[in-house]
Amino acid sequence: DTGVSQDPRHKITKRGQNVTFRCDPISEHNRLYWYRQTLGQGPEFLTYFQNEAQLEKSRLLSDRFSAERPKGSFSTLEIQRTEQGDSAMYLCASSLGGTGDLEQYFGPGTRLTVT
Amino acid sequence: AQSVTQLDSQVPVFEEAPVELRCNYSSSVSVYLFWYVQYPNQGLQLLLKYLSGSTLVKGINGFEAEFNKSQTSFHLRKPSVHISDTAEYFCAVSDLNTDKLIFGTGTRLQVFP
Repeated sequence: DTGVSQDPRHKITKRGQNVTFRCDPISEHNRLYWYRQTLGQGPEFLTYFQNEAQLEKSRLLSDRFSAERPKGSFSTLEIQRTEQGDSAMYLCASSLGGTGDLEQYFGPGTRLTVT
Repeated sequence: AQSVTQLDSQVPVFEEAPVELRCNYSSSVSVYLFWYVQYPNQGLQLLLKYLSGSTLVKGINGFEAEFNKSQTSFHLRKPSVHISDTAEYFCAVSDLNTDKLIFGTGTRLQVFP
């Protein structure tokens, strides 16, 4: 069990550019979540997958955001035409889901800075 | 819809003193409750969770929390804090259908020597 990993850890981009983040969950976990955390706030739910199916998306996830989990393992979160308001920490978490454990294991996050 | 309120944005305390971090939630249905800790430049780590059963829940690092349904509270306590407990603490409630977490705004615990 190597834990949840995220890549990159930091990303600086110019406004208008596209960025993509990757999350590798704990291998046997079937649920994967994306959260966004801005300074001084708690994490806010963005979207989640059960295996490869995206089951829920928050209204925070505008049309510029897209997430995939093509083979039910790793996931990517893409932000198109970035805006300064997108600057935040993007957190990924995974869980066994439906087994009664309910614990979500978080990765270290990807800090995005849009200049 | 559920929501979580953490009234104290910062709690300063001296080492070896007791501490309580307050959390209140709002929900029209039964919920699961969690406390997570976030150390600087690290991801969130689960301290403890309440799913059902005993309302007093013990977690890691000597922390405990008590679920109070009538007051819709889930306060976190530690009888004696250490410098190493300095961190951001988040209370969260789970949506039973999706188990997505809804977090409070966090409480920064600062432990002084």
